Amino acid sequence: QVQLVQSGGEMKKPGASVQVSCTASGYRFNSYGINWVRQAPGQGLEWMGWISPYNGNTYYAQKLQGRVTMTTDKSTSTAYMELRRLTSDDTAVYYCARQTGVDVVVVAARVFDYWGQGTLVTVSS
Amino acid sequence: IVMTQSPATLSVSPGERATLSCRASQSVGSNLAWYQQKPGQAPRLLISGASTRATGIPARFSGSGSGTEFTLTISSVQSEDFAVYYCQQYNNWPQTFGPGTKADIK
Repeated sequence: QVQLVQSGGEMKKPGASVQVSCTASGYRFNSYGINWVRQAPGQGLEWMGWISPYNGNTYYAQKLQGRVTMTTDKSTSTAYMELRRLTSDDTAVYYCARQTGVDVVVVAARVFDYWGQGTLVTVSS
Repeated sequence: IVMTQSPATLSVSPGERATLSCRASQSVGSNLAWYQQKPGQAPRLLISGASTRATGIPARFSGSGSGTEFTLTISSVQSEDFAVYYCQQYNNWPQTFGPGTKADIK
């Protein structure tokens, strides 16, 4: 069965960086895009960006441009999200989510059908 | 595209029908998904294509609408349905989520 297992919670100081991993199993990793979505405490869902494990193409939310990097390691079926220059506003649960296709050109491929369990990142001095 | 949802909170009794609304600031065709999120859990896909239930989703959940107006209906709310529901348009890239509707116990 499809599973996305994320790394454990992190506590970081302002200005630091954090990397969250998302290890996929139960399907062909290269064939489905991975999105990252975060949720601040008590708030809604904020899309952060997308990566194609097939060719490494990425697309980031405009507000995070320059601070976020998404990568994949096909050998371990793992996606990574690194966020730099953290502030308290980055305190949130971070989710990886598989989309129903590898690319974003195909509209029907943009639905998020499986999600990781979430990783709490707390930024505090 | 900006997504809005109403009401922000919906109080329903078990067994009642629940109707949740989602509106897009411009037409998204039928490229609209609904997700359910329970406390402490990740969101779960309920419906895509405005009306197609995801695998394993009970038939009491149904979606309708196209263009800019969409509805998620729970025909007879069960105790496990109390959660927050998000709509998401994926017609335009990047896709965007609505702010959510919380369904709680009346």
